[in-house]
Amino acid sequence: GDSVTQMEGPVTLSEEAFLTINCTYTATGYPSLFWYVQYPGEGLQLLLKATKADDKGSNKGFEATYRKETTSFHLEKGSVQVSDSAVYFCALSDRAAGNKLTFGGGTRVLVKP
Amino acid sequence: DTAVSQTPKYLVTQMGNDKSIKCEQNLGHDTMYWYKQDSKKFLKIMFSYNNKELIINETVPNRFSPKSPDKAHLNLHINSLELGDSAVYFCASSLRARSGANVLTFGAGSRLTVL
Repeated sequence: GDSVTQMEGPVTLSEEAFLTINCTYTATGYPSLFWYVQYPGEGLQLLLKATKADDKGSNKGFEATYRKETTSFHLEKGSVQVSDSAVYFCALSDRAAGNKLTFGGGTRVLVKP
Repeated sequence: DTAVSQTPKYLVTQMGNDKSIKCEQNLGHDTMYWYKQDSKKFLKIMFSYNNKELIINETVPNRFSPKSPDKAHLNLHINSLELGDSAVYFCASSLRARSGANVLTFGAGSRLTVL
């Protein structure tokens, strides 16, 4: 079945540091890929998505590129802020699996001033 | 206006009790979901309904029973609560996409604590 693996946290950074969160996937079909973010005490929000190979999703300074050859969708941000402290979830949606959204285990990011 | 609203936000109850969590969306979406998030933040889908029809039913104890009176509502009823049911339950909704780009909108969560 489909699965998503992302690096375990917590990841602790200083403000303005570079952030990378690794994400790899296995899927039956040709999935769409997503990053969701969960701020403390809130539900998940879509951060960015990519629907086909070599697509780059971007939002709020975050970027991720759909790499079919390495089955990866790593999240990056060049200069993090304290307000980026949250839990980040990589996810895939596979039409072959009825469009069910499958999440990775989440990575907690803590940005210190 | 809250897009996906779920009530109650917090629920503390004793083992063996029966409780319900309600969810409503005003986005005009046709598909709704229940996810369970455990203490380690791991998210697992429980159920999904499309236009009031059950389309995803993961391996969940039959003490959990979803009900969708219309496509804007999906409630979750839990019988005979157990300690292991303590978690945050998230409702979500989406427009069922023909492609795989299924973007979900989540509610703020309902934290259930079973004592």
